[in-house]
Formats: sequence, structure tokens, C-alpha cells
Amino acid sequence: SQKIEQNSEALNIQEGKTATLTCNYTNYSPAYLQWYRQDPGRGPVFLLLIRENEKEKRKERLKVTFDTTLKQSLFHITASQPADSATYLCALGLESDSWGKFQFGAGTQVVVTP
Amino acid sequence: DTGVSQDPRHKITKRGQNVTFRCDPISEHNRLYWYRQTLGQGPEFLTYFQNEAQLEKSRLLSDRFSAERPKGSFSTLEIQRTEQGDSAMYLCASSLASGETQYFGPGTRLLVL
Repeated sequence: SQKIEQNSEALNIQEGKTATLTCNYTNYSPAYLQWYRQDPGRGPVFLLLIRENEKEKRKERLKVTFDTTLKQSLFHITASQPADSATYLCALGLESDSWGKFQFGAGTQVVVTP
Repeated sequence: DTGVSQDPRHKITKRGQNVTFRCDPISEHNRLYWYRQTLGQGPEFLTYFQNEAQLEKSRLLSDRFSAERPKGSFSTLEIQRTEQGDSAMYLCASSLASGETQYFGPGTRLLVL
């Protein structure tokens, strides 16, 4: 069966440290993968997109890697801040010519303490 | 504010009633998406429109659900004969057809009693 797995347990991390989140998938062949941030009671906010032929993408303190052999993406928040506390969702784009048809993971909650 | 807006933000209804939600996308976006999200889960794709055409519907979208985008601008999602299992957050998102980013609205939280 098709699955997208993200750490179900909250990630508690001290301010200034690097948070690393995983997104594993099975029986999918995504053309691209995205990471979103979601705060309680609000809609997701796009952070980064990485395509199947890319290994790594960076944006400010964020870094995403994509390993299609391992069927895994890693999402890093460096120099974490309390404002980074949120739930982070990965989303698989399943068709390279059909932008927008995503399959989301359940998300991982990150809590950054001062 | 030129972001995606949804109305209402919250809706409480009794089982068996019909409800309708509205989504106003970012004005220049021609793609519009509906998702449903339950507690502790990621958003589940329901349907999407390119302009006024509904291009795809998920199997999750039973015949009690209908969505429209009559003029290619705002969209409505109607749920007929609501059931308690319909309780969820209904999210709308929009994007450019050639874009890689979906912009989500704040959602409509539905509670069916």
C-alpha cells in the first residue's frame, strides 16, 4: 500500500540547535516533494520544493534533501528559534505535469524551547 | 489582503443539514483546490479546478459533496445531508497553472453534531 510517514512524535529541541525531520514514502514515485509549515488553526504555508532530479535545496535557515533511492526526504532547520515551533508537513507531487495533486504526510510537530 | 480567503471560518451544524463553504482565491490564480484535514492528519486532496473546469475529483468526494467554480473566480463546496464523519477542517488553496506553489486559505472548520 502507499504510505507517507513522518515522525509522529513531537520533536523537542533547544533554541539554536538544528532540527531534522524525516519524510519516508513507499509505493510512490513522486516527481517532486514539498515541505509546508502549519500553525494551529491555520492553513499550511509553502516552504520549499525539491524535484526528483535534485539532491538538495536551501532557503535561508532551511535545507531539504531528497533521496529517491532511499525514498526519503530530510528537512533541516538550522539555528532554530522558538518562532519555528509549528507542524511541518511533507507533500508528494505525483505527476510531473499535474502541479497541485499532492499527497500529504501527517506532519511532525516541532517545539523549540528558549 | 490579497491572500486566499474562506468563509465562514467556523460552522456548526446538525447531522442531515446541508452546508456551503466559499473560497476566494488569489485573483490571478487560475487553479483552485479543496482539501479536507482531520486532527493529526495532513490535508487530503478533494478536487481541483482550472478556471471554471473541475479537472479532478478524489474518490473521497462522495456524491454528497459538490464543488463549483462558475466564473473561474471564487468556488463553493457544498456538503449535503452532513454526517458526523464530515467534521473536519476544509482547506482551499490556489495557484498559477504553471506555478509550483499552492497558497492556502485559513480553512473552514466544520463540526457536525
